[in-house]
Amino acid sequence: AQSVTQLGSHVSVSEGALVLLRCNYSSSVPPYLFWYVQYPNQGLQLLLKYTSAATLVKGINGFEAEFKKSETSFHLTKPSAHMSDAAEYFCAVSGDNDMRFGAGTRLTVKP
Amino acid sequence: NAGVTQTPKFQVLKTGQSMTLQCAQDMNHEYMSWYRQDPGMGLRLIHYSVGAGITDQGEVPNGYNVSRSTTEDFPLRLLSAAPSQTSVYFCASSPTDSGNTIYFGEGSWLTVV
Repeated sequence: AQSVTQLGSHVSVSEGALVLLRCNYSSSVPPYLFWYVQYPNQGLQLLLKYTSAATLVKGINGFEAEFKKSETSFHLTKPSAHMSDAAEYFCAVSGDNDMRFGAGTRLTVKP
Repeated sequence: NAGVTQTPKFQVLKTGQSMTLQCAQDMNHEYMSWYRQDPGMGLRLIHYSVGAGITDQGEVPNGYNVSRSTTEDFPLRLLSAAPSQTSVYFCASSPTDSGNTIYFGEGSWLTVV
């Protein structure tokens, strides 16, 4: 079965600092990988997805993620955090009939 | 463009009561699913459907029933609510193929007392 593990349930950065949210996956087949963001009291919105094209995937709001097969990782980064980036972020892997999510990482941005 | 619509947004139930969470999508997606979100546990798949007339269990199906009589609708039924079912529920839809983006509804906050 496919699964993802997000390292760190809570990450805090200063405004303007690098954002790094970690995700490792487990899959017996080439995976489809996703990052979603959830703002308070809202549903999930797609940030970006990897579908076996380029290993570096650019998403919305300046986020990007790099697929590294050797490390089974799909970490999410943003060079400079903004206050509006404060939210919960979920990594997910897609199988044949379902999508499995990580436990989530709450990002706090300090002024 | 409504996307995925869930109702109700908030509900309080007494233990043992039954209710149905409604979900409708207007994107003609074959795949629909229900997740529950609990603190520290991310989203867990309850049930899913790959098309009208076809449903299957996810990770945490106990206590929930679903049906898919049309492409558009995928209701989730709680037959006898328990406090452990207090959660936020999300309905989602996508085209059938793996790798497609899943679109989520706004969520339904359910409290069982």
